[in-house]
Amino acid sequence: AQSVSQHNHHVILSEAASLELGCNYSYGGTVNLFWYVQYPGQHLQLLLKYFSGDPLVKGIKGFEAEFIKSKFSFNLRKPSVQWSDTAEYFCAVGNAGKSTFGDGTTLTVKP
Amino acid sequence: GAVVSQHPSWVICKSGTSVKIECRSLDFQATTMFWYRQFPKQSLMLMATSNEGSKATYEQGVEKDKFLINHASLTLSTLTVTSAHPEDSSFYICSAGPGLPLGGEQYFGPGTRLTVT
Repeated sequence: AQSVSQHNHHVILSEAASLELGCNYSYGGTVNLFWYVQYPGQHLQLLLKYFSGDPLVKGIKGFEAEFIKSKFSFNLRKPSVQWSDTAEYFCAVGNAGKSTFGDGTTLTVKP
Repeated sequence: GAVVSQHPSWVICKSGTSVKIECRSLDFQATTMFWYRQFPKQSLMLMATSNEGSKATYEQGVEKDKFLINHASLTLSTLTVTSAHPEDSSFYICSAGPGLPLGGEQYFGPGTRLTVT
């Protein structure tokens, strides 16, 4: 069975600070990796995804993530966060559309 | 991107009654849809995979007789919570994608908040 672990439950940053959210997964086969964001009062949206190829993937709103196969990790990064990045972030591992989600990380960005 | 809608967005029902939640793919056909449940401050838990024209596939621990799923058309899947109890109160989210289940990404509906009193 696949599982996803997000290390940080709640992260608080000031605007312009750099962000890195950890995500580790366990799965025996080929995986597709995702980061989703849920802004307050809104539904889940895809930030970025990795299916194959370049392990450094870029998503919307300046986010990027790096797939490190040897570490089973897919950490999310952003060099300079904004107040509008305040949201819940979920890492997910999927296969054929069936996804397993991590517990989520709440990011609070102080203006 | 693809659009998935859910109806209703919130519902309050009395214990013992049944509630139906609809999930629609608005601009694509979905042979497969997924139903998730999200508890407050927790992650999404996959409940079942809804397959058009066939029986749903339930995840371990999910009662198929309690959570009835019907995927009658290529754009509509319904989740019926039967004989609802307060512990069924939760946020129910569906997802689908034009390329699924063979590949591609999934798009999420806005969710339905169920409160059982």
